[in-house]
Amino acid sequence: NAGVTQTPKFRILKIGQSMTLQCAQDMNHNYMYWYRQDPGMGLKLIYYSVGAGITDKGEVPNGYNVSRSTTEDFPLRLELAAPSQTSVYFCASSYPDSYGYTFGSGTRLTVV
Amino acid sequence: QKEVEQDPGPLSVPEGAIVSLNCTYSNSAFQYFMWYRQYSRKGPELLMYTYSSGNKEDGRFTAQVDKSSKYISLFIRDSQPSDSATYLCAMIPPGGGNKLTFGTGTQLKVEL
Repeated sequence: NAGVTQTPKFRILKIGQSMTLQCAQDMNHNYMYWYRQDPGMGLKLIYYSVGAGITDKGEVPNGYNVSRSTTEDFPLRLELAAPSQTSVYFCASSYPDSYGYTFGSGTRLTVV
Repeated sequence: QKEVEQDPGPLSVPEGAIVSLNCTYSNSAFQYFMWYRQYSRKGPELLMYTYSSGNKEDGRFTAQVDKSSKYISLFIRDSQPSDSATYLCAMIPPGGGNKLTFGTGTQLKVEL
């Protein structure tokens, strides 16, 4: 049982480049989330989804986009990367009405 | 004022010590409270959750909620080097569905 799988684990981007962070879960969870974690700032919610075809903004959505075409996958798209997007990105999933998120192991992104 | 405040540490204790980790929050409407543990370069994992005020015990871990003081605690008895990690408190805001608000995390090191 893989849980939540994030790829890539590490990436260096140049300013203005774009990329997609991949997230897949095999637990048939309806809810999926993207968080970013910066030193001393905790986890901030970027986007979330309550099911295929349904997404909504979190606390810090600017500069990001998401889509959810299947229950399993929830990719996060960065357009025109900026140094402020240097962070560790975590994808998570859960059942409805469950506060026990399952997190992936993260993607460490550096924008230079 | 941040919604959820946590002392970032680092907190260093000897093996076998009792550890107390704390969070304060500003919104009295928070009802569900969670503690996540995050090892270095890994995603957070759910440790415990509680609803409303009171204590909950699980092995060496006790979670305590004092809603009147807007204060939650996690106690670790007989601490072990394997407990060395960052501990994040999290809570559900009113009308927040499954979206967690996280504290910034406290880094704990248990030394031999």
